[in-house]
Amino acid sequence: NAGVTQTPKFRVLKTGQSMTLLCAQDMNHEYMYWYRQDPGMGLRLIHYSVGEGTTAKGEVPDGYNVSRLKKQNFLLGLESAAPSQTSVYFCASKDRAVSGELFFGEGSRLTVL
Amino acid sequence: GDSVTQMEGPVTLSEEAFLTINCTYTATGYPSLFWYVQYPGEGLQLLLKATKADDKGSNKGFEATYRKETTSFHLEKGSVQVSDSAVYFCALSDLGGGADGLTFGKGTHLIIQP
Repeated sequence: NAGVTQTPKFRVLKTGQSMTLLCAQDMNHEYMYWYRQDPGMGLRLIHYSVGEGTTAKGEVPDGYNVSRLKKQNFLLGLESAAPSQTSVYFCASKDRAVSGELFFGEGSRLTVL
Repeated sequence: GDSVTQMEGPVTLSEEAFLTINCTYTATGYPSLFWYVQYPGEGLQLLLKATKADDKGSNKGFEATYRKETTSFHLEKGSVQVSDSAVYFCALSDLGGGADGLTFGKGTHLIIQP
Protein backbone atom coordinates (compact mmCIF):
# COMPACT_ATOMS: atom_id res chain seq x y z
CA ASN A 1 0.00 0.00 0.00
CA ALA A 2 1.61 3.25 -1.13
CA GLY A 3 -0.58 5.63 0.92
CA VAL A 4 0.94 9.11 0.66
CA THR A 5 4.09 9.47 -1.43
CA GLN A 6 6.27 12.57 -1.54
CA THR A 7 8.95 13.40 -4.10
CA PRO A 8 11.72 14.32 -3.87
CA LYS A 9 12.78 13.16 -0.41
CA PHE A 10 15.86 15.38 -0.30
CA ARG A 11 16.78 18.55 -2.14
CA VAL A 12 19.38 21.28 -1.81
CA LEU A 13 18.64 24.66 -3.38
CA LYS A 14 20.43 27.95 -3.67
CA THR A 15 18.71 31.13 -2.55
CA GLY A 16 16.40 32.38 -5.28
CA GLN A 17 15.93 29.04 -7.04
CA SER A 18 12.50 27.54 -7.53
CA MET A 19 11.24 24.03 -7.04
CA THR A 20 8.10 21.94 -6.67
CA LEU A 21 7.34 19.21 -4.17
CA LEU A 22 4.89 16.58 -5.34
CA CYS A 23 2.49 14.72 -3.10
CA ALA A 24 0.44 11.78 -4.37
CA GLN A 25 -2.15 9.76 -2.45
CA ASP A 26 -3.93 6.62 -3.54
CA MET A 27 -6.68 6.54 -0.89
CA ASN A 28 -9.17 8.73 -2.78
CA HIS A 29 -9.08 11.29 0.04
CA GLU A 30 -10.76 14.62 -0.51
CA TYR A 31 -8.59 16.67 1.81
CA MET A 32 -4.87 17.23 1.48
CA TYR A 33 -2.39 19.33 3.45
CA TRP A 34 1.16 20.60 3.41
CA TYR A 35 2.94 21.09 6.73
CA ARG A 36 6.44 22.15 7.60
CA GLN A 37 8.30 20.78 10.62
CA ASP A 38 11.01 22.80 12.31
CA PRO A 39 12.92 22.08 15.54
CA GLY A 40 11.06 23.44 18.55
CA MET A 41 8.11 24.53 16.40
CA GLY A 42 6.23 21.32 15.82
CA LEU A 43 4.17 21.11 12.63
CA ARG A 44 2.71 24.21 11.03
CA LEU A 45 0.13 24.18 8.27
CA ILE A 46 1.20 25.89 5.05
CA HIS A 47 -1.72 25.29 2.67
CA TYR A 48 -4.52 22.82 2.33
CA SER A 49 -7.12 21.66 -0.17
CA VAL A 50 -10.63 20.33 0.31
CA GLY A 51 -10.96 19.00 -3.20
CA GLU A 52 -9.77 19.06 -6.77
CA GLY A 53 -9.30 22.60 -8.00
CA THR A 54 -9.48 24.19 -4.53
CA THR A 55 -6.75 25.47 -2.23
CA ALA A 56 -6.61 27.60 0.92
CA LYS A 57 -4.00 29.23 3.13
CA GLY A 58 -2.91 27.78 6.42
CA GLU A 59 -0.87 29.26 9.24
CA VAL A 60 2.37 29.99 7.33
CA PRO A 61 1.54 30.39 3.60
CA ASP A 62 3.94 33.18 2.63
CA GLY A 63 6.54 32.21 0.04
CA TYR A 64 4.65 29.11 -1.08
CA ASN A 65 2.08 28.30 -3.72
CA VAL A 66 0.03 25.17 -4.22
CA SER A 67 -2.09 23.51 -6.85
CA ARG A 68 -4.54 20.60 -6.85
CA LEU A 69 -5.31 19.89 -10.48
CA LYS A 70 -6.05 16.22 -9.80
CA LYS A 71 -7.69 14.76 -6.72
CA GLN A 72 -4.76 12.48 -5.98
CA ASN A 73 -2.01 15.11 -6.31
CA PHE A 74 -1.13 18.19 -4.29
CA LEU A 75 1.86 20.27 -5.38
CA LEU A 76 3.81 22.69 -3.21
CA GLY A 77 5.89 25.30 -5.01
CA LEU A 78 8.63 27.63 -3.89
CA GLU A 79 9.06 30.39 -6.47
CA SER A 80 12.16 31.99 -4.94
CA ALA A 81 13.64 29.90 -2.17
CA ALA A 82 15.00 31.54 0.99
CA PRO A 83 17.15 30.06 3.78
CA SER A 84 14.15 30.45 6.13
CA GLN A 85 12.42 27.78 4.06
CA THR A 86 14.96 25.16 5.06
CA SER A 87 12.74 22.59 6.71
CA VAL A 88 11.18 19.16 6.51
CA TYR A 89 7.93 19.24 4.57
CA PHE A 90 5.14 16.78 5.15
CA CYS A 91 2.14 16.12 3.00
CA ALA A 92 -0.97 14.56 4.52
CA SER A 93 -4.39 13.49 3.36
CA LYS A 94 -7.69 12.83 5.09
CA ASP A 95 -11.02 11.26 4.39
CA ARG A 96 -13.64 14.01 4.62
CA ALA A 97 -15.86 11.88 6.84
CA VAL A 98 -13.27 10.89 9.46
CA SER A 99 -12.38 13.43 12.14
CA GLY A 100 -8.71 14.22 12.50
CA GLU A 101 -7.11 11.07 11.13
CA LEU A 102 -4.46 12.36 8.78
CA PHE A 103 -2.22 10.06 6.75
CA PHE A 104 1.27 11.45 6.33
CA GLY A 105 3.98 10.98 3.79
CA GLU A 106 7.57 10.29 4.84
CA GLY A 107 8.64 13.88 4.43
CA SER A 108 10.85 15.92 2.11
CA ARG A 109 13.96 17.51 3.56
CA LEU A 110 14.76 20.80 1.85
CA THR A 111 17.92 22.82 2.45
CA VAL A 112 18.26 26.32 1.04
CA LEU A 113 21.80 27.68 1.00
CA GLY B 1 -6.97 30.62 18.56
CA ASP B 2 -6.61 26.96 19.35
CA SER B 3 -3.37 25.76 20.90
CA VAL B 4 -1.78 22.65 22.34
CA THR B 5 0.94 22.62 25.00
CA GLN B 6 3.03 19.58 25.76
CA MET B 7 6.32 18.86 27.48
CA GLU B 8 9.09 19.00 24.90
CA GLY B 9 11.73 16.77 26.40
CA PRO B 10 13.74 14.91 25.60
CA VAL B 11 12.25 12.50 28.06
CA THR B 12 14.63 9.66 28.85
CA LEU B 13 13.39 6.51 30.58
CA SER B 14 14.61 3.01 31.20
CA GLU B 15 12.89 0.06 29.59
CA GLU B 16 9.77 -1.10 31.51
CA ALA B 17 9.34 2.29 33.20
CA PHE B 18 5.98 4.03 33.44
CA LEU B 19 5.43 6.82 30.94
CA THR B 20 3.40 10.00 31.18
CA ILE B 21 3.55 12.77 28.59
CA ASN B 22 1.44 15.75 29.56
CA CYS B 23 -0.75 17.58 27.09
CA THR B 24 -3.11 20.48 27.71
CA TYR B 25 -5.12 22.42 25.20
CA THR B 26 -6.98 25.65 24.61
CA ALA B 27 -9.89 25.61 22.20
CA THR B 28 -13.27 27.10 21.56
CA GLY B 29 -16.02 24.58 21.25
CA TYR B 30 -15.54 20.87 21.81
CA PRO B 31 -12.44 19.55 20.08
CA SER B 32 -11.48 16.01 19.23
CA LEU B 33 -8.07 15.11 20.63
CA PHE B 34 -5.30 12.99 19.16
CA TRP B 35 -1.86 11.58 19.80
CA TYR B 36 0.40 11.07 16.82
CA VAL B 37 3.77 9.32 16.83
CA GLN B 38 6.76 9.92 14.56
CA TYR B 39 9.41 7.23 14.41
CA PRO B 40 12.89 8.22 13.17
CA GLY B 41 12.92 9.02 9.47
CA GLU B 42 9.19 8.57 9.04
CA GLY B 43 6.05 10.65 8.82
CA LEU B 44 3.54 10.99 11.61
CA GLN B 45 0.97 8.29 12.23
CA LEU B 46 -2.12 8.31 14.39
CA LEU B 47 -1.61 6.56 17.73
CA LEU B 48 -4.97 7.12 19.40
CA LYS B 49 -7.84 9.55 19.59
CA ALA B 50 -10.82 10.62 21.70
CA THR B 51 -13.75 12.59 20.37
CA LYS B 52 -15.64 13.64 23.50
CA ALA B 53 -15.17 14.28 27.20
CA ASP B 54 -14.29 11.24 29.35
CA ASP B 55 -13.51 9.11 26.28
CA LYS B 56 -10.38 7.00 26.57
CA GLY B 57 -8.32 6.31 23.50
CA SER B 58 -5.97 3.34 23.51
CA ASN B 59 -3.59 1.58 21.16
CA LYS B 60 -0.37 -0.47 21.45
CA GLY B 61 -0.48 -0.23 25.26
CA PHE B 62 -0.79 3.56 25.23
CA GLU B 63 -3.81 5.30 26.75
CA ALA B 64 -5.10 8.85 27.06
CA THR B 65 -8.32 10.15 28.62
CA TYR B 66 -10.09 13.28 27.42
CA ARG B 67 -10.48 15.47 30.55
CA LYS B 68 -12.65 18.46 29.74
CA GLU B 69 -12.52 19.87 33.28
CA THR B 70 -8.72 20.14 33.17
CA THR B 71 -8.46 20.57 29.36
CA SER B 72 -5.94 17.75 29.27
CA PHE B 73 -5.17 14.60 27.27
CA HIS B 74 -2.13 13.05 28.93
CA LEU B 75 -0.50 10.04 27.26
CA GLU B 76 0.39 7.06 29.46
CA LYS B 77 1.94 3.63 29.08
CA GLY B 78 2.58 1.20 31.89
CA SER B 79 5.81 -0.36 30.62
CA VAL B 80 7.76 1.24 27.81
CA GLN B 81 10.01 -0.57 25.37
CA VAL B 82 13.04 0.56 23.39
CA SER B 83 10.85 0.43 20.27
CA ASP B 84 8.67 3.21 21.75
CA SER B 85 11.48 5.69 21.22
CA ALA B 86 9.98 8.36 18.97
CA VAL B 87 8.54 11.85 18.94
CA TYR B 88 4.97 12.11 20.21
CA PHE B 89 2.61 14.89 19.16
CA CYS B 90 -0.60 15.90 20.85
CA ALA B 91 -3.15 17.52 18.52
CA LEU B 92 -6.69 18.79 18.37
CA SER B 93 -9.34 19.19 15.72
CA ASP B 94 -11.99 21.69 16.62
CA LEU B 95 -14.25 21.50 13.61
CA GLY B 96 -15.42 17.89 13.63
CA GLY B 97 -12.99 16.85 10.96
CA GLY B 98 -13.00 20.25 9.36
CA ALA B 99 -10.85 21.06 6.41
CA ASP B 100 -8.26 23.12 8.22
CA GLY B 101 -6.53 20.08 9.59
CA LEU B 102 -5.09 19.71 13.05
CA THR B 103 -3.37 22.00 15.53
CA PHE B 104 -0.28 20.24 16.84
CA GLY B 105 1.81 20.64 19.95
CA LYS B 106 5.55 21.00 19.50
CA GLY B 107 6.23 17.31 20.10
CA THR B 108 7.90 15.34 22.89
CA HIS B 109 11.02 13.38 22.10
CA LEU B 110 10.98 10.10 24.04
CA ILE B 111 14.15 8.06 24.46
CA ILE B 112 13.96 4.60 26.00
CA GLN B 113 17.22 3.08 27.17
CA PRO B 114 17.69 -0.70 27.48
